[in-house]
Amino acid sequence: NAGVMQNPRHLVRRRGQEARLRCSPMKGHSHVYWYRQLPEEGLKFMVYLQKENIIDESGMPKERFSAEFPKEGPSILRIQQVVRGDSAAYFCASSPSRGGDNEQFFGPGTRLTVL
Amino acid sequence: AQTVTQSQPEMSVQEAETVTLSCTYDTSESDYYLFWYKQPPSRQMILVIRQEAYKQQNATENRFSVNFQKAAKSFSLKISDSQLGDAAMYFCAYRSFSGANSKLTFGKGITLSVRP
Repeated sequence: NAGVMQNPRHLVRRRGQEARLRCSPMKGHSHVYWYRQLPEEGLKFMVYLQKENIIDESGMPKERFSAEFPKEGPSILRIQQVVRGDSAAYFCASSPSRGGDNEQFFGPGTRLTVL
Repeated sequence: AQTVTQSQPEMSVQEAETVTLSCTYDTSESDYYLFWYKQPPSRQMILVIRQEAYKQQNATENRFSVNFQKAAKSFSLKISDSQLGDAAMYFCAYRSFSGANSKLTFGKGITLSVRP
């Protein structure tokens, strides 16, 4: 059973470009979480999605950031018009259902560098 | 809102010795989960140990154990017989018991180095 997969592992963008980060959850998992880790910081929650629905986006900046988890295919975190402050590691985690006893399994992360 | 505080940015331990990493948290909830995650240089987040707040018994996983003090809102991690492979960043994290709030809240982390 493959773990959580994220691609690309490294992404370099120039200011003003768009960044698309992909997350394929573990097989059988329908809940996806995105976290951001700035240098020398802990992970900060961004958004929680269940298939085709955003459940909690309280940690996501209101502008330039969006996330989706379609019925088919991976979850996508999209950052438009990137700025230097977006440089960070972005982690995706998945779980089989909501809360309770369910562990979140993390992917290896995507390191975004904005030049 | 819940907060997690790790006030020690760095710690060092001699190989084969024991080290304790501190964590405090703040919440108004009575039921929740607490976690310690390890992040080695590969950056992969690895779950080390988990504690359910409603359980009085401290969790243990081989060389890893916790000291959970619910009234004091303290959750420290003890690593016994430290090994070189234990060198990593360690994050303390909180999650509500409620399914409506499944997000993890992390502390800033502590960098643990192991001296041979």
